[in-house]
Amino acid sequence: QVQLVESGGGVVRPGTSLTLSCAASGFTFSSYGMHWVRQAPGKGLEWVALIWSDGSNQYYADSVKGRFTLSRDNSKNTLYLQMNSLGAEDTALYYCARGPGSRYLDFWGQGTLVTVSS
Amino acid sequence: QSALTQPASVSGSPGQSITISCTGTSSDVGGYNYVSWYQQHPGKAPKLMIYDVSNRPSGVSNRFSGSKSGNTASLTISGLQTEDEADYYCISYTSSRTVVFGGGTKLTVL
Repeated sequence: QVQLVESGGGVVRPGTSLTLSCAASGFTFSSYGMHWVRQAPGKGLEWVALIWSDGSNQYYADSVKGRFTLSRDNSKNTLYLQMNSLGAEDTALYYCARGPGSRYLDFWGQGTLVTVSS
Repeated sequence: QSALTQPASVSGSPGQSITISCTGTSSDVGGYNYVSWYQQHPGKAPKLMIYDVSNRPSGVSNRFSGSKSGNTASLTISGLQTEDEADYYCISYTSSRTVVFGGGTKLTVL
């Protein structure tokens, strides 16, 4: 069955960096676009970034553009989100999700929590 | 990348039907038949309920249906059940090749 397991979250200071990972199994990872979505405590879902199946294109929300970098290693079935210059507004539960055709998200992980605090 | 507009809350009694709207622009909802809907129970990951406006994934009850008219998409839940109480989000593909979320709607089953 499809499984997505996020890791790498934690408590970090403002201005620092963090890299999240999403390990995929149960499907042909290299055939699917992948998304990151975040949810601040008590708030709604916010789309963060998308990478095409072959990694050739990445797209970002304006709120993270220039600070976050999305990449993938199809040989390791793993998705990465490099987050730089973190601020309090980046505090959230970060989900990775599979995106058929990049237009909807059919399977989601359980999320990894990022807390940015001094 | 403005969020799609959803009502903050809707409510209904068991057995009734409710509809949640999701309003965007011609650059997202109105421009593509790529609206999807997600259910999120507290403390849980979102679950895909409808994709491409009106398609149900395998395993999703046929009490859930989707439609679209112009720049507004809608999710209808018929025969409301207590387990339907959750937050619901819409997503649309956009002309920027990204996706955009709605702000979410809290469904209360009275």
